[in-house]
Amino acid sequence: EVQLVQSGAEVKKPGESLRISCKGSGYSFTSYWISWVRQMPGKGLEWMGRIDPSDSYTNYSPSFQGHVTISADKSISTAYLQWSSLKASDTAMYYCARPVGATVTAFDIWGQGTMVTVSS
Amino acid sequence: EIVMTQSPATLSVSPGERATLSCRASQSVSSNLAWYQQKPGQAPRLLIYGASTRATGIPARFSGSGSGTEFTLTISSLQSEDFAVYYCQQYNNWPPGGTFGQGTKLEIK
Repeated sequence: EVQLVQSGAEVKKPGESLRISCKGSGYSFTSYWISWVRQMPGKGLEWMGRIDPSDSYTNYSPSFQGHVTISADKSISTAYLQWSSLKASDTAMYYCARPVGATVTAFDIWGQGTMVTVSS
Repeated sequence: EIVMTQSPATLSVSPGERATLSCRASQSVSSNLAWYQQKPGQAPRLLIYGASTRATGIPARFSGSGSGTEFTLTISSLQSEDFAVYYCQQYNNWPPGGTFGQGTKLEIK
């Protein structure tokens, strides 16, 4: 079964750092980009950025460039999303997602989501 | 950046009836348009991509149409499990992951 499994919920304080993970299985991890999508409480979906696990090349949405870092370790089929200094406004559900294909960047495989809560 | 606008924000329909959801792009996205369903506490589920191609395992009562700037998702006969929030996404233009509409909540009338 093709799946993405994300790390568990996190509760952090403003200014703390955090890295969440997304592990792929059931397919060739290096054959598909992995994207991260944010969903703030009660709000819609926002694409944050993506990584090519084969060479760790990344693209970021301008809205998130410089605020987060996306990385991957292809040896363990895992992608990461990290913050160096969290803000309360980072409180959201974060999903990783895999596209249908190289030219069809609709997302057919999603992780279960990681809820990040940032509060003092 | 392309702006995706969905209408209506909320749609109230009775089970067994047809639901029609709309999505408009601020500029042409060709047929590079997807639809997702999201239920509370769950990740989004891909329904349609390429404007009209059903994703794997999606029932035939879901259909998509349109091209350019105007798109429609039709659910032919609503089942209880179809009441959810629906999002459209264009993936034709930057950014690479596309942009999403704000969502339409489909509720039971």
